[in-house]
Amino acid sequence: IAGITQAPTSQILAAGRRMTLRCTQDMRHNAMYWYRQDLGLGLRLIHYSNTAGTTGKGEVPDGYSVSRANTDDFPLTLASAVPSQTSVYFCASKQGPSYNEQFFGPGTRLTVL
Amino acid sequence: DQQVKQNSPSLSVQEGRISILNCDYTNSMFDYFLWYKKYPAEGPTFLISISSIKDKNEDGRFTVFLNKSAKHLSLHIVPSQPGDSAVYFCAASGVNRGSTLGRLYFGRGTQLTVWP
Repeated sequence: IAGITQAPTSQILAAGRRMTLRCTQDMRHNAMYWYRQDLGLGLRLIHYSNTAGTTGKGEVPDGYSVSRANTDDFPLTLASAVPSQTSVYFCASKQGPSYNEQFFGPGTRLTVL
Repeated sequence: DQQVKQNSPSLSVQEGRISILNCDYTNSMFDYFLWYKKYPAEGPTFLISISSIKDKNEDGRFTVFLNKSAKHLSLHIVPSQPGDSAVYFCAASGVNRGSTLGRLYFGRGTQLTVWP
């Protein structure tokens, strides 16, 4: 089934540990995004990639890094997790920068203790 | 600074009545607007959108109205059903925004509860 998959579904992590959230899409979309959702704050953009090989910073990039080695995969890495990174993380994609509708994955619930 | 605002965190409506969710934006460069629906433990799903060249777009029970002069849009759901209970996010996008071309700016969401 075409769409976006995210892994893991949920994770509990000790502060200071490194963690990579995985995101894969099979729609051959050029643009991909990482958001975090926090209660009362909506969806905030962490990083984005308009095409394979390029990335950019969103609203809340500090403490996160991304890479886009190919079209399908867009992993998000927390180099040294902190409790404030406890959140639900959503990956999204869309066909290209000039398109508007983004398609979202099911999310990863991350708890940093 | 929040460029897309949903000032009502929650809305409760009886089944069969109309639900009206509101959204305001501040950036005049926005020219495309979307509504997403989100159920618990799922990702947001696209619901309906509207381009700035229109003032209304309708899809079944869902209608979005855009008032450009007031920088305001609203989502009407008629008739409301219990299955519509979800968080609704308003989002906006601008065509010509340089390195963030095509980025969506989201509001904080409104929790809609439709009761029988």
